[in-house]
Amino acid sequence: AQSVTQPDIHITVSEGASLELRCNYSYGATPYLFWYVQSPGQGLQLLLKYFSGDTLVQGIKGFEAEFKRSQSSFNLRKPSVHWSDAAEYFCAVVGPGGSYIPTFGRGTSLIVHP
Amino acid sequence: NAGVTQTPKFQVLKTGQSMTLQCAQDMNHEYMSWYRQDPGMGLRLIHYSVGAGITDQGEVPNGYNVSRSTTEDFPLRLLSAAPSQTSVYFCASSYRTGAINEKLFFGSGTQLSVL
Repeated sequence: AQSVTQPDIHITVSEGASLELRCNYSYGATPYLFWYVQSPGQGLQLLLKYFSGDTLVQGIKGFEAEFKRSQSSFNLRKPSVHWSDAAEYFCAVVGPGGSYIPTFGRGTSLIVHP
Repeated sequence: NAGVTQTPKFQVLKTGQSMTLQCAQDMNHEYMSWYRQDPGMGLRLIHYSVGAGITDQGEVPNGYNVSRSTTEDFPLRLLSAAPSQTSVYFCASSYRTGAINEKLFFGSGTQLSVL
């Protein structure tokens, strides 16, 4: 069965600093990978997705993620964090074959200090 | 364009009461689903549907029922509410390319408290 791990429950960064949120997946083949963001009191919004092709994916709000097959990872990055990026971030995986139902990680809470 | 609409936004129930959480989407999405979000647990799938008349169980289906009589609506029924069902509930829908859910669109959530 597919699974996804976000090892960091909380990440604290200063405004203007760079950011990397970790995501590791467990699946035999190349899965479909997603990052979603949840602002306080809101539903989730898609940041970016990887299906195939270029392993560096650009998303909205200046985020990018890199798929590394050898490490089973899909880490989210941003070169300079803004205070408005404070939110909960979820990595999700969909495995080709089977039901194609997304499985979500437990989320990483990003705290941004001024 | 309303997207995914969930009602109510807040609800307080007593143990044993029943209720229905409503979810409607106006994007003609085939796939609809319900998640619950609890602190430290992320999103857990309750039930999902890949089209009208088709539903299936997710990771945590016990105590919940769903039906999909139309493409637009996917209500979630709590049969006999329990304190363990205190949570934030999200409805999500998606286009499907073949069998792939390209992108989930989420409602704004229902915060449910069971006393």
